[in-house]
Amino acid sequence: GNSVTQMEGPVTLSEEAFLTINCTYTATGYPSLFWYVQYPGEGLQLLLKATKADDKGSNKGFEATYRKETTSFHLEKGSVQVSDSAVYFCALSLPYSSASKIIFGSGTRLSIRP
Amino acid sequence: DVKVTQSSRYLVKRTGEKVFLECVQDMDHENMFWYRQDPGLGLRLIYFSYDVKMKEKGDIPEGYSVSREKKERFSLILESASTNQTSMYLCASSSGTGSGFDEQYFGPGTRLTVT
Repeated sequence: GNSVTQMEGPVTLSEEAFLTINCTYTATGYPSLFWYVQYPGEGLQLLLKATKADDKGSNKGFEATYRKETTSFHLEKGSVQVSDSAVYFCALSLPYSSASKIIFGSGTRLSIRP
Repeated sequence: DVKVTQSSRYLVKRTGEKVFLECVQDMDHENMFWYRQDPGLGLRLIYFSYDVKMKEKGDIPEGYSVSREKKERFSLILESASTNQTSMYLCASSSGTGSGFDEQYFGPGTRLTVT
């Protein structure tokens, strides 16, 4: 079946450290890949996405590259800030007859120390 | 900006009560979704709707029903609440017709506690 696996948290880093959150997927067909972020007390919001192999999504200093050969979509940021503390969800979306459905990973909680 | 609102941020109900969770979106989106979010399990799809009065079961529909009488409004109904339905409930909406590219926009969530 279709699924998303991401590294378990919590991940705790110091400000300005380099961040990697690993994400791999299993899918039939050709999915679109997403990273969503959930700040404390809020719903999820789209951080970045990639719709085909070798695409790189980027936003707010975060990047992720769609790697078909390794079925991965790892999230990276060169220098994290305290304001990046949140829960990050990797997700995939597949075409569907009525509406695209998104399958989410279990989430990775990130805490940044000042 | 797309706005998805949910009727309550926090709700406490008793076992056996009928519970209604309401979601409204203001961007004329065709598709609306209900998820529950539990620690370590991520988001799981309960039901979704791709048009008024149209609905499909998601991965965990048992114990829930939904209603979509108007395009902007999607209700989740717990017919007889149980303690294992204590969770965070998230509503989302999207446009599009199933291409796989469609972003979903989320509401802030309703934290439901069943005692």
